Amino acid sequence: IAGITQAPTSQILAAGRRMTLRCTQDMRHNAMYWYRQDLGLGLRLIHYSNTAGTTGKGEVPDGYSVSRANTDDFPLTLASAVPSQTSVYFCASSDRQSGELFFGEGSRLTVL
Amino acid sequence: AQTVTQSQPEMSVQEAETVTLSCTYDTSESDYYLFWYKQPPSRQMILVIRQEAYKQQNATENRFSVNFQKAAKSFSLKISDSQLGDAAMYFCAYRTPYGGATNKLIFGTGTLLAVQP
Repeated sequence: IAGITQAPTSQILAAGRRMTLRCTQDMRHNAMYWYRQDLGLGLRLIHYSNTAGTTGKGEVPDGYSVSRANTDDFPLTLASAVPSQTSVYFCASSDRQSGELFFGEGSRLTVL
Repeated sequence: AQTVTQSQPEMSVQEAETVTLSCTYDTSESDYYLFWYKQPPSRQMILVIRQEAYKQQNATENRFSVNFQKAAKSFSLKISDSQLGDAAMYFCAYRTPYGGATNKLIFGTGTLLAVQP
């Protein structure tokens, strides 16, 4: 069972470039999330999706967009990357019964 | 808005000893979940323990237990017989039940636990 797969694992990106972080889950969870992790700030929610076809803004949505065309995939796009978007990005999905979040292994993004 | 506070950025414990990590939260909801997640250097996020607010009994998972004080909005994690493998960043997190006001996890800023041999 793969759970949640994120790609790429790590990426260095020039400022101004467009970047899409991919996330795929095989658990058929309805809800999916994107968090960014920064030292001293914990994990902050960027965007979420409660079900396929719907998305919502989290705590720090500016500069990011998401789509949820189907249950399994939830890509995160940086339209024009800036150095402040240097972070580790986690995709997660939620089990309806337990409320637990299942996480991918994270994507480290460096914007120069 | 709900918030989660971890006031201890770093903690240290001797191997085989007991350590308690603190977490407080703020909410006006009566039904919610609380979690502790562990993040070792591998970066993987691992669920340690989960507590439903309607349950008065404190959750326990092997060497990990919580002290859940609903009125005080406190949710501390106790690690007994600490092991070197317990060294990690620990995050406290809050959410309301699926479909509720906060259908997402809100995290604290984390506590970095070091285990001394």
